[in-house]
Amino acid sequence: DTAVSQTPKYLVTQMGNDKSIKCEQNLGHDTMYWYKQDSKKFLKIMFSYNNKELIINETVPNRFSPKSPDKAHLNLHINSLELGDSAVYFCASSAPRGSDTQYFGPGTRLTVL
Amino acid sequence: GNSVTQMEGPVTLSEEAFLTINCTYTATGYPSLFWYVQYPGEGLQLLLKATKADDKGSNKGFEATYRKETTSFHLEKGSVQVSDSAVYFCALWGSGTYKYIFGTGTRLKVLA
Repeated sequence: DTAVSQTPKYLVTQMGNDKSIKCEQNLGHDTMYWYKQDSKKFLKIMFSYNNKELIINETVPNRFSPKSPDKAHLNLHINSLELGDSAVYFCASSAPRGSDTQYFGPGTRLTVL
Repeated sequence: GNSVTQMEGPVTLSEEAFLTINCTYTATGYPSLFWYVQYPGEGLQLLLKATKADDKGSNKGFEATYRKETTSFHLEKGSVQVSDSAVYFCALWGSGTYKYIFGTGTRLKVLA
């Protein structure tokens, strides 16, 4: 059983489009995260939700909107995609809030043409 | 603010060689320190961690000791294998911050 899953694994799209990436965890965790990994492998947190409540929102353009329908899901919607959004996006989860061990999904490679 | 500095790669070693990947940090308070590993095409996996000064984390033959006096958490392995080829990330979890600060990652390539 996959603990943290993401769909799709690859996403290729044109500039200006809107796209979503889905994340689900079956670990029963309360806290979920989105990270962006750029082409140089630099990894930076974008958002964190705890029990559907936003607790971390790093300096991310408001074209990025996370949505958590329940504590097992955290989706990432991106409007008006730009070339610079090309990256690998990782979802992660942890329990409880403040737990310092996170479980990462396999990543979604987004390519904006 | 908190930060993590990691040695730049890539690091290329022959099988059975000794590995050291340097990591130093800057933090207020008493952070926890981690090493995560990312195999090709996969997400990050926790390799080991240490939560207080002088703690040693270890897993799969890898070790790292939390050194407060030198603000370091260097990763070591006595004899690397081809299967250890991956990107290794040092990370800091600041108390009360609920988030990681990652280093830039070090790519390790082990040749047979």
